[in-house]
Amino acid sequence: DQQVKQNSPSLSVQEGRISILNCDYTNSMFDYFLWYKKYPAEGPTFLISISSIKDKNEDGRFTVFLNKSAKHLSLHIVPSQPGDSAVYFCAASEDGNQGGKLIFGQGTELSVKP
Amino acid sequence: DGGITQSPKYLFRKEGQNVTLSCEQNLNHDAMYWYRQDPGQGLRLIYYSQIVNDFQKGDIAEGYSVSREKKESFPLTVTSAQKNPTAFYLCASSIILAQGPNTEAFFGQGTRLTVV
Repeated sequence: DQQVKQNSPSLSVQEGRISILNCDYTNSMFDYFLWYKKYPAEGPTFLISISSIKDKNEDGRFTVFLNKSAKHLSLHIVPSQPGDSAVYFCAASEDGNQGGKLIFGQGTELSVKP
Repeated sequence: DGGITQSPKYLFRKEGQNVTLSCEQNLNHDAMYWYRQDPGQGLRLIYYSQIVNDFQKGDIAEGYSVSREKKESFPLTVTSAQKNPTAFYLCASSIILAQGPNTEAFFGQGTRLTVV
């Protein structure tokens, strides 16, 4: 049973436009959510996170929204740049004070076209 | 500079042989983790350790073993009991907080293991 789901395997966006990546989860005990960016044959790099007590967190071009009632979070990238092309993983934790014990979604491959 | 080092980057082994993947961190993090990634899938937790000489099984521990003799090191052994060992293996580390702001994991560059 997959507790974290990213239902879109891929997304293509024009440079300068908004990219919206979605993630759904089933476990109500998750209290911390993270987005990671990953290039092929490399380790994921942390992008942005949100605690379950918040509904929005913003860092530059990246904003994460959390809708607890719908068990849904999304990552908005505005404006999108070609360098943003990568696989994005949504991850969730039941213990945010230990940030490495994570349940990951399957990933969404973002392609930003010039 | 600080970080997580995994070696080697590529590893080939014959079926039935045990193989050990190295992971070293100089971030002074208490916790270390091993994940596995298969094509088209997310990362899945194999083992994790919060303190030296102690570790816990993750979601897919069967066929793997670990040790944590030093804070900086968390090697993973893929044994012959692992039915599908070919995968991309990622090591990570994080701090542990008693309370307060949440933390994130930092990942190494990964080791691609191919068993033939």
